[in-house]
Amino acid sequence: GAVVSQHPSWVICKSGTSVKIECRSLDFQATTMFWYRQFPKQSLMLMATSNEGSKATYEQGVEKDKFLINHASLTLSTLTVTSAHPEDSSFYICSASSTGRRDTEAFFGQGTRLTVV
Amino acid sequence: DAKTTQPNSMESNEEEPVHLPCNHSTISGTDYIHWYRQLPSQGPEYVIHGLTSNVNNRMASLAIAEDRKSSTLILHRATLRDAAVYYCILRPYLNYGGSQGNLIFGKGTKLSVKP
Repeated sequence: GAVVSQHPSWVICKSGTSVKIECRSLDFQATTMFWYRQFPKQSLMLMATSNEGSKATYEQGVEKDKFLINHASLTLSTLTVTSAHPEDSSFYICSASSTGRRDTEAFFGQGTRLTVV
Repeated sequence: DAKTTQPNSMESNEEEPVHLPCNHSTISGTDYIHWYRQLPSQGPEYVIHGLTSNVNNRMASLAIAEDRKSSTLILHRATLRDAAVYYCILRPYLNYGGSQGNLIFGKGTKLSVKP
């Protein structure tokens, strides 16, 4: 099946620094990608919808200036957590579906475990 | 908010069938029923999806009620590797080109498989 690759798998950073997470669709084009956050023992929470060539759409309560999303090509979206703080420590997951197919399944990256110390 | 209701947890014995229920009484005519599962510390994995008719694939079967207000994911022979959280999600079929509806996750059903 289609593959979505997320990098890095885990990262530890100091408080106040920024971290970039990449999400790539390896064998299909994705006009739209989604970014989720998951805290321990909780479900996935949609953070934002990333659209190729345009601004991302953020869910209510998600700070767009803190979580910068760039979707520069049909195969790559990036999420940058700026000025990270310990409360931003979480499991971040991206998702993508093949462009042009409206009833297709979504494919997920393996997730990025962010720990801010 | 999630538009589906699932039991918090279920238990199964290895090599026995498992029926995971999902209620979605407010489903609209353009919603597809998707199932995903998530193992610890991994991203979700696609299992199956359908619209009105029952669906089968190599992983599972999906039985959809005639009024589409509920569905059941069927694992025909549970294995230890099937222990995961299973999510039933409604995904809108969008009429404009290029983008797909997002997936809103509920709490899912945590499936335990006993050897």
